[in-house]
Amino acid sequence: DTEVTQTPKHLVMGMTNKKSLKCEQHMGHRAMYWYKQKAKKPPELMFVYSYEKLSINESVPSRFSPECPNSSLLNLHLHALQPEDSALYLCASSPSPIGNTEAFFGQGTRLTVV
Amino acid sequence: GESVGLHLPTLSVQEGDNSIINCAYSNSASDYFIWYKQESGKGPQFIIDIRSNMDKRQGQRVTVLLNKTVKHLSLQIAATQPGDSAVYFCAERGRNNAGNMLTFGGGTRLMVKP
Repeated sequence: DTEVTQTPKHLVMGMTNKKSLKCEQHMGHRAMYWYKQKAKKPPELMFVYSYEKLSINESVPSRFSPECPNSSLLNLHLHALQPEDSALYLCASSPSPIGNTEAFFGQGTRLTVV
Repeated sequence: GESVGLHLPTLSVQEGDNSIINCAYSNSASDYFIWYKQESGKGPQFIIDIRSNMDKRQGQRVTVLLNKTVKHLSLQIAATQPGDSAVYFCAERGRNNAGNMLTFGGGTRLMVKP
């Protein structure tokens, strides 16, 4: 299994809703990432988890709350989002937080905040 | 190239021609570089990588060139096909105290004319 699986593929939520994005990989990777991508822009790093611990938070607002329940799962909890948070949210994983290896990306969750 | 405003730089080539996509990176301490291909509605897909102790690496129909002196990366695609149409991003892996970070360049849209 060489896939990173993200659910849901599409999500529409109101500004008062609470929702969660899910990401799963079964490649034994010990680094997992959340990226945000706006239209016609490159992916921007939000969070890095190394060995299930949060190692990097790129000054992301607290309305985004990551969670890594185990080495295969990564969640992104969303609460009180704004319309400008609408974007493609990408999860990625790599074998090690310290090795020079590629990151494998999921297909993303297209989030629309109304 | 790097994106400016809402517009991605676009390279338009004839099917069968060779394509060259360029990228300027920012961190002289970066030691690992990746080219990703992103099709519409999908996550980035690994194409080829190169470590900083190399200046050229070849794959199947693709070649990556690295010039550390001017911090420039290029992707050459031989005999470009319609299926190569996508947005191409370079990414650099730099290090900070918390571990590796993968940072993306602005992206270039490749359009292949049949």
